[in-house]
Amino acid sequence: EVQLVESGGGLVQPGGSLRLSCSASGFTFSRYVMNWVRQAPGKGLEWVSYISTGSDIIYYADSVRGRFTISRDNAKNSLYLQMNSLRDEDTALYYCARGYLKRYFDNWGQGTLVTVSS
Amino acid sequence: EIVLTQSPATLSLSPGERATLSCRASQSVSSYLAWYQQKPGQAPRLLIYDVSNRATGIPARFSGSGSGTDFTLTISSLEPEDFAVYYCQQRNSSPLTFGGGTKVEIK
Repeated sequence: EVQLVESGGGLVQPGGSLRLSCSASGFTFSRYVMNWVRQAPGKGLEWVSYISTGSDIIYYADSVRGRFTISRDNAKNSLYLQMNSLRDEDTALYYCARGYLKRYFDNWGQGTLVTVSS
Repeated sequence: EIVLTQSPATLSLSPGERATLSCRASQSVSSYLAWYQQKPGQAPRLLIYDVSNRATGIPARFSGSGSGTDFTLTISSLEPEDFAVYYCQQRNSSPLTFGGGTKVEIK
């Protein structure tokens, strides 16, 4: 069974940093592209970032480019999101999502909540 | 950026009725459109990909159609577990974008 478990969320002040992690199991992690997708409270879905299997291709949404960094460790079956210079509008539930046909999302974690507030 | 507009925002129907959800793109996404279902407190679930292909384990009452800029998700006969929010998503061009969602609620 595919499992994706996010961690690392919490309350942080504007301008602060957080590092999210996603632990994967039940599939060969190194063979799948991965993504972060977020959902602000009561709002819709927003794609945040994509990373290829070998980490050689990375994309970001304009809203986070230059502040967030996606990475992965295939040996540890883990995906990461380093978030710097956090803003109020980054408050959301952050999902780790496995890529399907590279750019759809066929398996999701339960999310980790990031709250940016003073 | 391709903007996806979903309509209606809310659809009030009874179990057994047919649901028709619309997703319109601001420019062509070819056949690269997916639909997701999200229930309260749960992560989204992939239902349909590339317009009309059901994902693994998705019942046949869910079907998708369309091309270019206009797409439809149809639920042929609503089951109690189908009342949820539905999102469309395009993968034709970066950034990947989602529609704002359609809530299917019990009438």
